[in-house]
Order: sequence, then structure tokens, then C-alpha cells
Amino acid sequence: QKEVEQNSGPLSVPEGAIASLNCTYSDRVSQSFFWYRQYSGKSPELIMSIYSNGDKEDGRFTAQLNKASQYVSLLIRDSQPSDSATYLCAVGGPGFQKLVFGTGTRLLVSP
Amino acid sequence: EPEVTQTPSHQVTQMGQEVILRCVPISNHLYFYWYRQILGQKVEFLVSFYNNEISEKSEIFDDQFSVERPDGSNFTLKIRSTKLEDSAMYFCASSYRVEQYFGPGTRLTVT
Repeated sequence: QKEVEQNSGPLSVPEGAIASLNCTYSDRVSQSFFWYRQYSGKSPELIMSIYSNGDKEDGRFTAQLNKASQYVSLLIRDSQPSDSATYLCAVGGPGFQKLVFGTGTRLLVSP
Repeated sequence: EPEVTQTPSHQVTQMGQEVILRCVPISNHLYFYWYRQILGQKVEFLVSFYNNEISEKSEIFDDQFSVERPDGSNFTLKIRSTKLEDSAMYFCASSYRVEQYFGPGTRLTVT
């Protein structure tokens, strides 16, 4: 059974701070890793993808992957109240396969 | 920017009735998926579809469920005889390569 684990939170950070979100996964053959943002009552919105070890930056977001430790993280710099949402970690196998989601971490950014 | 669309946004049905949930994937995408999310729980994979056939399905996707691509644009999920436990948000997703983009979802309420 493939598992993706996340701390459910909430993670509370003040506006302007760095939010750090973490995820671990169980299946060593996993090859694709994603972060989705989900506002309450809405659908998951893809914000980052990462496929190889190291860091990948896109604007205020940085995804980090460590396959040896089976660990994925998302850093959000200069957090804004509009970043308050649930962040879902999703892991896929080789090719065009299903995604296995974690339960998500709820992020609260206070003004 | 192209988006996945889903109809209806909310469907209420009685137990034992058949429902069809509709999706229009992004036009040049080749892979199509259905996921569901029961309130307060994680997003769960149901089925993936490629080249007019199911490529993978989960244990949830039993004989009560079916998928179809009736024409070049629509992708449907049919639940033959709904149960109370089928109440959930159903998300359609599509991908051209690996990254999956989700539609806004259909909230299914079974009474």
C-alpha cells in the first residue's frame, strides 16, 4: 500500500515569513512529486512539480526532493494571507500513473 | 488558459439511482482520471483512462462504476446504483504528460 504522510497542521506563520511544509512517501519507485493547493470547498490546484533530487524554484515557491530519504518539501517565501489553504503532497509512479495524495497540511498565514 | 470543466457542480440523488458525472478535459490532453474526496478526507484515485480504455482502477472502482469517452471532448463517470457512502466531491483530471490538472469538481449528495 503506497502511503504519503503529511502533518495535518494547522501550520501558523505570520505574514512575510517562510512556511515550510513536509511530506514523506513509502514507495521507493515513485518518480514524480507534486504540490497542490486546495482552498476550502475547491479543487486541487497544481503549484509545483519535481522529478529529480534537489531544489526547484518558481517564484515564491521552492520544492525540495530527497529520494534517498523519501522526503519532499515545499517552502513558501514571503507568505501572504492568500496562501492560507491546505497543501496536498501527491506522488506518482513511472509514466502516466495515478497520484497518491497525502491528507494535506493546513497553512494559516496571519496578517 | 485551458481548464478542465465539470458538470453539474452539485448533484443530489436518492440511494439506488444512477448518476452520470460529466467532464471536458483540456483539449490536447491524452490521459484522463477520476478522483474523489469524501468530506474531510484525502483525495483518492478511482480510475485512469487512455486511448479509449481503462489503464488503471482502484479497489473503490467496482462494478457499480463505469467510465466512457462518448465523443472527442467529453469524459463521463457513471455510478449505476448510488449508495450513501458515494457522497463525495468527484474530481476529473487530465494530463498531456505527467502533470495532472483538476476540474472544479462535482459535489454528489446521496440521500
